[in-house]
Amino acid sequence: EDKVVQSPLSLVVHEGDTVTLNCSYEVTNFRSLLWYKQEKKAPTFLFMLTSSGIEKKSGRLSSILDKKELFSILNITATQTGDSAVYLCAVRGSNYKLTFGKGTLLTVNP
Amino acid sequence: DVKVTQSSRYLVKRTGEKVFLECVQDMDHENMFWYRQDPGLGLRLIYFSYDVKMKEKGDIPEGYSVSREKKERFSLILESASTNQTSMYLCASSGGLGGELFFGEGSRLTVL
Repeated sequence: EDKVVQSPLSLVVHEGDTVTLNCSYEVTNFRSLLWYKQEKKAPTFLFMLTSSGIEKKSGRLSSILDKKELFSILNITATQTGDSAVYLCAVRGSNYKLTFGKGTLLTVNP
Repeated sequence: DVKVTQSSRYLVKRTGEKVFLECVQDMDHENMFWYRQDPGLGLRLIYFSYDVKMKEKGDIPEGYSVSREKKERFSLILESASTNQTSMYLCASSGGLGGELFFGEGSRLTVL
């Protein structure tokens, strides 16, 4: 059974801080790892990673995958209150379905 | 932009009632999914479909069924709702086997 573990489960920081969210996984025949951001509604897509060591970047957010050690990190620099959300990690395996972690609740205080 | 629409945002039902949750996507995606999301448990896959009239069980299919008569529409059915099915239900679609999922806004179901 595929498994995704995110840490920490919750995190409180101040505006301007840098945060690192972790995602480790066990999956049969890994295909891709995805990050989503969920505010009080539908999860919105951030990144999809398939290759080890290649950083994906979008503004203040970046993510990297380590396929040897079976984990990914999501970095957010210069955090803003609008970054407050649940961040979800999901992994796609041999049967193409996505298995999600429980998420990390990030709270950014002004 | 891809739009995934879940027709009911909030529902309150009684134990034993039959419940239909409807989901429509407008991007001609082959793949559609139903997840439920619960505090502390994350998103769990109930059913998915790779084509019209085709369905596959996810990780927690018990107590649910689905219908996909048209490509754009994927319905989740609770034949006899129970209180432990109180949850947020999220529908999603994707255009390819390896693509990202696009989610609807969610349907919050309360079963009394």
